[in-house]
Amino acid sequence: QKEVEQNSGPLSVPEGAIASLNCTYSDRVSQSFFWYRQYSGKSPELIMSIYSNGDKEDGRFTAQLNKASQYVSLLIRDSQPSDSATYLCAVNPTGGYSTLTFGKGTMLLVSP
Amino acid sequence: SQTIHQWPATLVQPVGSPLSLECTVEGTSNPNLYWYRQAAGRGLQLLFYSVGIGQISSEVPQNLSASRPQDRQFILSSKKLLLSDSGFYLCAWSRYDRQGASGYTFGSGTRLTVV
Repeated sequence: QKEVEQNSGPLSVPEGAIASLNCTYSDRVSQSFFWYRQYSGKSPELIMSIYSNGDKEDGRFTAQLNKASQYVSLLIRDSQPSDSATYLCAVNPTGGYSTLTFGKGTMLLVSP
Repeated sequence: SQTIHQWPATLVQPVGSPLSLECTVEGTSNPNLYWYRQAAGRGLQLLFYSVGIGQISSEVPQNLSASRPQDRQFILSSKKLLLSDSGFYLCAWSRYDRQGASGYTFGSGTRLTVV
């Protein structure tokens, strides 16, 4: 059973702080990892992808991957109220024809 | 650039009525296509996926079916809706990548309420 676990939250941070969102996965051979942002009532939007151990930065977002610990995280620097959303972690177990497994998401609330 | 269209945006249907949701992708060929459902307060549930015309894989046994009559068209159907079919239905596409490195792009979704 391939599982992706996330704390449901809500994670509350003040504006300007760093928000740290975490995700663990069960399938050790997982290849690709993705973070999606979903605003209430809207569809998920891909914001970050990471395939190798280490950090990947894109603007205020940094994805971190540790395959040995089966752990992937998303850091949001200088959090803004517009970052308030549910963040979904997704894992592609083996590549090719396999489908993404999604976590249930962590709700982030950024207060002004 | 690639775009994905999904309609209708909202739908209210009585129990026992049929359902047809359509999704089309533009700007790419031979995409992988997916139907997901997101029930209130729950995660994304994969319903069907397709890697080519006429090729459908079902993940969850239920009263829903899917078809892919054209390369970039994916249809979700039901002959008789149940109350439990209510939810947010999302179509998505991805490129086929041997390393599986391609993320999904979602359509705008259909919010279905069965009454």
